[in-house]
Amino acid sequence: DAGVIQSPRHEVTEMGQEVTLRCKPISGHNSLFWYRQTMMRGLELLIYFNNNVPIDDSGMPEDRFSAKMPNASFSTLKIQPSEPRDSAVYFCASSWTSGDYNEQFFGPGTRLTVL
Amino acid sequence: DAKTTQPPSMDCAEGRAANLPCNHSTISGNEYVYWYRQIHSQGPQYIIHGLKNNETNEMASLIITEDRKSSTLILPHATLRDTAVYYCIVRVKGDYKLSFGAGTTVTVRA
Repeated sequence: DAGVIQSPRHEVTEMGQEVTLRCKPISGHNSLFWYRQTMMRGLELLIYFNNNVPIDDSGMPEDRFSAKMPNASFSTLKIQPSEPRDSAVYFCASSWTSGDYNEQFFGPGTRLTVL
Repeated sequence: DAKTTQPPSMDCAEGRAANLPCNHSTISGNEYVYWYRQIHSQGPQYIIHGLKNNETNEMASLIITEDRKSSTLILPHATLRDTAVYYCIVRVKGDYKLSFGAGTTVTVRA
């Protein structure tokens, strides 16, 4: 298995532009997570999907951020418009969530720089 | 509202055992102790988890005190590739959330 796949690995954009980050979870997993990591705030959960349905989006910073999971093998995190403070590493993770089992497998991350 | 307390950093010698402490004095009966690590420029990686019994896998051992208020992650033979930030996380049984704190930066030295 290739693990969680994220693209692009690096993204540099200018303030005001739309940014779309992509994630392919591990096949067979039923949960998907988007995290953001910065030096100031550490690793934060943005949104959690279970069986393709958003369950908890309380970590999404504001309306400029949106996430979708159209099917079990693909998710996107979109920022529109982007701002310099959105610069961070964005991680996608997936897991098979069942009862007390929740080992999350993380992708390599997308390093976003907004100029 | 931190549920765990870890030392910010520690060094250990290559080939020696690394013992990483974690305090979770307010842990509840239905909360697990999870350990993840993050090697520089990579995503976090699951290491091990436990409820009240000691656990061992191919990566590490987890020792949980009888009162469950603290635990120790043991890397039996640390290598340079074990240099990473190690996160101790308390998670409610059945909950999906993993709240990452600041962790312990472990540096393995030759």
